[in-house]
Amino acid sequence: AQRVTQPEKLLSVFKGAPVELKCNYSYSGSPELFWYVQYSRQRLQLLLRHISRESIKGFTADLNKGETSFHLKKPFAQEEDSAMYYCALSGQGAQKLVFGQGTRLTINP
Amino acid sequence: KAGVTQTPRYLIKTRGQQVTLSCSPISGHRSVSWYQQTPGQGLQFLFEYFSETQRNKGNFPGRFSGRQFSNSRSEMNVSTLELGDSALYLCASSLDGGQDETQYFGPGTRLLVL
Repeated sequence: AQRVTQPEKLLSVFKGAPVELKCNYSYSGSPELFWYVQYSRQRLQLLLRHISRESIKGFTADLNKGETSFHLKKPFAQEEDSAMYYCALSGQGAQKLVFGQGTRLTINP
Repeated sequence: KAGVTQTPRYLIKTRGQQVTLSCSPISGHRSVSWYQQTPGQGLQFLFEYFSETQRNKGNFPGRFSGRQFSNSRSEMNVSTLELGDSALYLCASSLDGGQDETQYFGPGTRLLVL
């Protein structure tokens, strides 16, 4: 079975502080991992995906197969990072995304 | 390119009725997926269509069905509505529906069942 767990429903940090949003997954094959973000009054959109290995808006995420984790990190949080963040997994040969419950990130000034 | 569009944006129905939601993917995208979002269950996959064929299906009852047309536009239908079907229904499109492809989401249709 495929499962994605985001242990924190809410996360609040101050501007300029480091941010880490946790994501753990369960999947027996080779998954593809994604982080999607939803800013206020906007649609759900891709933030970054494991296969691209790129940094978007200062965010990075490393796939740790040993710990089955795909945590999202940013060294210095900005107020515009306040949003709902979803970790998602796509299994082999399938387009179907399995989402975590999401973490609402609030950056305090 | 225009983004994914969904119609209608809001819908109110009563128990027992049926409803049809529509999704127009980004031009050139052939894969369309549907998701249900509720406060309790979060985002759950309903089904995916590619080239007018259902390719993947989530764990939803048979009351939930869909189809895709030759222009890649998709519709989903829910029959015999229940109160628990109240949710935001999201449509997403991608080029070919590959495992590592980005899905582009529409704004959603908010369905309220009374």
